[in-house]
Amino acid sequence: DAGVTQSPTHLIKTRGQQVTLRCSPKSGHDTVSWYQQALGQGPQFIFQYYEEEERQRGNFPDRFSGHQFPNYSSELNVNALLLGDSALYLCASSFRDGGNSPLHFGNGTRLTVT
Amino acid sequence: QKEVEQDPGPLSVPEGAIVSLNCTYSNSAFQYFMWYRQYSRKGPELLMYTYSSGNKEDGRFTAQVDKSSKYISLFIRDSQPSDSATYLCAMSESGGYQKVTFGIGTKLQVIP
Repeated sequence: DAGVTQSPTHLIKTRGQQVTLRCSPKSGHDTVSWYQQALGQGPQFIFQYYEEEERQRGNFPDRFSGHQFPNYSSELNVNALLLGDSALYLCASSFRDGGNSPLHFGNGTRLTVT
Repeated sequence: QKEVEQDPGPLSVPEGAIVSLNCTYSNSAFQYFMWYRQYSRKGPELLMYTYSSGNKEDGRFTAQVDKSSKYISLFIRDSQPSDSATYLCAMSESGGYQKVTFGIGTKLQVIP
C-alpha cells in the first residue's frame, strides 16, 4: 500500500521564478493538504483540497495556489519566489469522513530559493 | 501568543528512560490531538491520535489529553536510540475540513 508520494525531493530556484510541486495521496484518501515547514519550525497549513476545490486556506499570499485532479493527486504552485519561501513543503492526505481522519504525510519537497 | 506552545528542547535522555513531552494550547475548540515523529529529512509520521480528553496507549507510547487545562502529553517508556527524532504535537477542531495546527516540535536524543 503506497503512502503519500511527493516529487521532486529537492529543488533549487532563483528569486522571481515559479515552481510546481506534485503529490499523490495515500491509497483510499480523497483529501490533500499542503504544509510549509521552515527550518526549526512546525508545519504551517497552506491549503486543503477536496473534490478538486480549495476548501480551506491558511495565512499564505495568493502567490501560493494549487490544484487537485480527478484521481485525487495535487499540485502546489508558487509564483514570484522569495528567499523566504525556502522550506520543506509537505503534502498530507486524509479521508474526509467528517474531519476525523488523521493526516498522513509524504517526505516532502525541499525547496531552496537563491 | 501562539495557539500551540511546545518546548523545542533539545531533550537528552539515557537509553531506557521514561520520556515526557508536552504541549499547551489556547484554542478551546480543539478536539482532536495528535503526536507525530519526524526524523531528519523525512516527513512527519503519525504516532498517536486521540479525541477529546483521556489517555491512549500504544506499545511504549501513551498520550494524555487534559482539555480542562489545555495540556497534552506524550510518554515514551523504555526509550531507545531509535526514538531520537523531533516530536510534533498537533491538534484540530472537530468536523468539517481539517486544518491541523502544529507545535514547533521537541528534539529528543536518546543516548545509548
